[in-house]
Amino acid sequence: KQEVTQIPAALSVPEGENLVLNCSFTDSAIYNLQWFRQDPGKGLTSLLLIQSSQREQTSGRLNASLDKSSGRSTLYIAASQPGDSATYLCAPLGTYKYIFGTGTRLKVLA
Amino acid sequence: DVKVTQSSRYLVKRTGEKVFLECVQDMDHENMFWYRQDPGLGLRLIYFSYDVKMKEKGDIPEGYSVSREKKERFSLILESASTNQTSMYLCASTGQATPSAYNEQFFGPGTRLTVL
Repeated sequence: KQEVTQIPAALSVPEGENLVLNCSFTDSAIYNLQWFRQDPGKGLTSLLLIQSSQREQTSGRLNASLDKSSGRSTLYIAASQPGDSATYLCAPLGTYKYIFGTGTRLKVLA
Repeated sequence: DVKVTQSSRYLVKRTGEKVFLECVQDMDHENMFWYRQDPGLGLRLIYFSYDVKMKEKGDIPEGYSVSREKKERFSLILESASTNQTSMYLCASTGQATPSAYNEQFFGPGTRLTVL
């Protein structure tokens, strides 16, 4: 059974720092892995999708990497801003189902 | 842009009531999902559907049922609401029926349900 762990659970940093959020999963038989952002009381917004054959994906200040064999993905946020404050979730896709980590709660201080 | 909408942002119901949560997607997606999200437990899959009139149980289907009469609409039904069903309910959809590297999941805004 797939288990997903995200470390750290919470993070507070000053504005401008570069950040790394970690996601590890136990079953490497995945089709892809998706990173999401969730603001308090809202739904999930898709940030990046990495296909299983890819090593990384970039969108603006965000870069996500995937090492399927070791069961790890990282989300790199460059030059963090207060507007990046949110919870970040990763979700690998197995057979029909996405399994979600419990997220990293990020606070960027102005 | 894919749009997934949910019928209510906030809902308050009484114990024993029958509750309908509606979800509509506008991108002709094959798969639709219902999750609940609780603090410390993350997102848990209740039911999903990969085709009209088809449904599959997720990890926590007890106390819930679903209906998918049309491709764009997926309803979650609480037959007799209980206080332990107070939660945030999230609907999502993906394009292809079979799992693939291209399947990207899109979420609705969520419904915060309180059962008194």
